[in-house]
Amino acid sequence: KNQVEQSPQSLIILEGKNCTLQCNYTVSPFSNLRWYKQDTGRGPVSLTIMTFSENTKSNGRYTATLDADTKQSSLHITASQLSDSASYICVVSDRGSTLGRLYFGRGTQLTVWP
Amino acid sequence: EADIYQTPRYLVIGTGKKITLECSQTMGHDKMYWYQQDPGMELHLIHYSYGVNSTEKGDLSSESTVSRIRTEHFPLTLESARPSHTSQYLCASSELRDRGTDTQYFGPGTRLTVL
Repeated sequence: KNQVEQSPQSLIILEGKNCTLQCNYTVSPFSNLRWYKQDTGRGPVSLTIMTFSENTKSNGRYTATLDADTKQSSLHITASQLSDSASYICVVSDRGSTLGRLYFGRGTQLTVWP
Repeated sequence: EADIYQTPRYLVIGTGKKITLECSQTMGHDKMYWYQQDPGMELHLIHYSYGVNSTEKGDLSSESTVSRIRTEHFPLTLESARPSHTSQYLCASSELRDRGTDTQYFGPGTRLTVL
């Protein structure tokens, strides 16, 4: 069964600190992996997208890594800000259909305290 | 900020009412989607469309229906709302590209509460 598991479920850090969020997946055949940021009461916004051949992608203070062999990804946030408080969702796409089916994780709820 | 809009943002209605959740995008995207999301849970695809006059059911069984008469518009209708329909509904759109490589742009969502 294709699944996407994220950890931790929730995380609290102090402003200015770094943190790393984890994503493990079993989706096959793999097409790409995305990280989305979802603010409370809003729709998700794409942060990064990585295909099989890419193992790192940065977007400002966000750096995503991908290990397609172990089927693991991480999202590293540097020098956290209060505005980073949100749910971070890992989304994996397969190549098994024209639609490119998306598999969503439940997200990691990050809270940044001043 | 993506040019995809949803109305209403919040809706509280009584059981048995017919409702339509509106979704429109101005990016000219062919593909559009409806997702259902409960607090702390993953998004579940309930409907999608490849273009005008194309609609398909998603992975999660839903009593809602959709239509795609215009490229930019993808409304979702519940003929008779029930408390079990209480949830957040997210609309998304993307370009018609190679399978799975397109980025989906999400609207702000509609929070539906059925009493």
